Amino acid sequence: QMQLVQSGAEVKRTGSSVKVSCKASGYTFTYSFLHWVRQAPGQALEWMGWITPLSGATNYAQKFQGRATITSDRSKSIAYMEMSSLRSEDTAMYYCARWDSSLTAFDVWGQGTMVTVSS
Amino acid sequence: QSVLTQPPSASGTPGQRVTISCSGSSSNIGSNTVNWYQQLTGTAPKLLMYNNDQRPSGVPARFSGSKSVTSASLAISGLQSEDEADYYCGAWDDSLNAWVFGGGTKLTV
Repeated sequence: QMQLVQSGAEVKRTGSSVKVSCKASGYTFTYSFLHWVRQAPGQALEWMGWITPLSGATNYAQKFQGRATITSDRSKSIAYMEMSSLRSEDTAMYYCARWDSSLTAFDVWGQGTMVTVSS
Repeated sequence: QSVLTQPPSASGTPGQRVTISCSGSSSNIGSNTVNWYQQLTGTAPKLLMYNNDQRPSGVPARFSGSKSVTSASLAISGLQSEDEADYYCGAWDDSLNAWVFGGGTKLTV
């Protein structure tokens, strides 16, 4: 079955960077857009951006442009989301999600990676 | 402040029918389809409804969706205790060039 498995929880200092991974299985990795969505504690979902692994093209929400970088390794079926210049407000659960073009929806989600930023 | 507006909470007793609303604008719900996600406590969101009113395989028929102009609704009939969760609506926004979500509705059964 289709599955996205993310890397483990991270604790980072303010101003540092974090890189979260998302390994896909059960479908052809290059055929689907892979998105990143975050959720601060007790807050709503917030879309960050996507990558199309086939070409490596990316698109980011304006809020994260310049600070978030989404990449992928087609040979390993892994997508990455790196966030730099971390601040306390970046403390959140980060999810990767597959976008299905026929459903036009996020149909498979990773289990989430908790990133905690403290000084 | 979320682009899509949902009531923060909803409640019902087992067997009842509840409706959760999602209000947007012409640039999102007004011109694109709406999806709904269910998030049980401590878990990742799960796709509950796509293309306004389509249920993915495995989602019970007591869940239904609808859309009218710039608003959408999720209805749950025959409410069950396992329906207690947070529910989020989502849609693409043509002006923001971004996926947007509602603030979430916490359903208590």
